[in-house]
Amino acid sequence: DAGVTQSPTHLIKTRGQQVTLRCSPKSGHDTVSWYQQALGQGPQFIFQYYEEEERQRGNFPDRFSGHQFPNYSSELNVNALLLGDSALYLCASSLAAAQETQYFGPGTRLLVL
Amino acid sequence: GQQLNQSPQSMFIQEGEDVSMNCTSSSIFNTWLWYKQDPGEGPVLLIALYKAGELTSNGRLTAQFGITRKDSFLNISASIPSDVGIYFCAGRKSGSARQLTFGSGTQLTVLP
Repeated sequence: DAGVTQSPTHLIKTRGQQVTLRCSPKSGHDTVSWYQQALGQGPQFIFQYYEEEERQRGNFPDRFSGHQFPNYSSELNVNALLLGDSALYLCASSLAAAQETQYFGPGTRLLVL
Repeated sequence: GQQLNQSPQSMFIQEGEDVSMNCTSSSIFNTWLWYKQDPGEGPVLLIALYKAGELTSNGRLTAQFGITRKDSFLNISASIPSDVGIYFCAGRKSGSARQLTFGSGTQLTVLP
């Protein structure tokens, strides 16, 4: 049974560019949450998707947007990249009825130059 | 963004020793969680706590949900080398059921 998978594993972009990160949830999970983890910090909640809609959003600007597909996979898009967007981006999946049990993927390491 | 106050920031202990770390907040949380993160991996859930005063064990790990609902601690007994990693507390607040708020982590090093 495959766990949460994310792609790509690493990515280098320059300021002003746009990036798309992808996440496939654990089999049977219908809810996907995205987190940003800066070096030496804990993850910070970006937003959560359920039934192809954004259900809750953390304190992140509109440059951060997402999408969930009918197969429950999800994308995170970041526009107009800033140096401060360099971080590990984590995807977590869960069942809507079991909010507490979030399973995390290995993350995508984004470096903005 | 708001994070929980987690301490200590790092710990160096001898193999076989017990470890204790804690997490505090000025806000009330309905759920407390403890995760471990290894290099190159995402956080893995260790223990989940749902009720004030609850004490839960998972092998050598024991965690408690503070009675005020504003704190939690994690104990690891008889540490072993594979306990090395970063431990994070996380909480879920009323009205933000879908959002986990994380602490800044405790880096644990176990010396042989």
